[in-house]
Amino acid sequence: AQSVTQLGSHVSVSEGALVLLRCNYSSSVPPYLFWYVQYPNQGLQLLLKYTSAATLVKGINGFEAEFKKSETSFHLTKPSAHMSDAAEYFCAVSFNGGSQGNLIFGKGTKLSVKP
Amino acid sequence: DTEVTQTPKHLVMGMTNKKSLKCEQHMGHRAMYWYKQKAKKPPELMFVYSYEKLSINESVPSRFSPECPNSSLLNLHLHALQPEDSALYLCASSHRDFSTNEKLFFGSGTQLSVL
Repeated sequence: AQSVTQLGSHVSVSEGALVLLRCNYSSSVPPYLFWYVQYPNQGLQLLLKYTSAATLVKGINGFEAEFKKSETSFHLTKPSAHMSDAAEYFCAVSFNGGSQGNLIFGKGTKLSVKP
Repeated sequence: DTEVTQTPKHLVMGMTNKKSLKCEQHMGHRAMYWYKQKAKKPPELMFVYSYEKLSINESVPSRFSPECPNSSLLNLHLHALQPEDSALYLCASSHRDFSTNEKLFFGSGTQLSVL
């Protein structure tokens, strides 16, 4: 069965510091992996997705994630945090042959950015 | 136009009321979704419409009744809700349902409070 685990429900960094949000997946078939961001009182917005092309995926707003099959991980990083990055981040997984209805979300990680 | 528009943004209703949530997109997407999101939780899939036909119903109680009048519109009719139904209701769309590497476009949601 497919699942996704986000380590840490809350991450706090200083402005300008590295952002690292962790995501590990479990899938018996090659997965598609996504990171979505949700700002307060908003819907979700896609940051980036992995679909079996390049393992290092660059997304919007300076975020990137690396697919590591050996570690079953898809951690989200950004070299320098900005105040505007404060939001809830969701890792999600789907799999070839499934439908978008089978998009499985992690529990989310709230990112706080301190001045 | 790359937006999914949801109305109303906020809704307060009693347990005996009948109300409807509306969702609209003009991107030509043929798959539309309803998600329910409780505070500090990931979105939970409720319904998927593919080509205006209900393709997935995640065992949602009958007090929630979806409707897809045409390819641009998705409604969620509410009747005899319970206080535990209070949540953020998110609409999303994608080009197709069965292409799992496509992104979902989310609306900003309707914050529903049931008194």
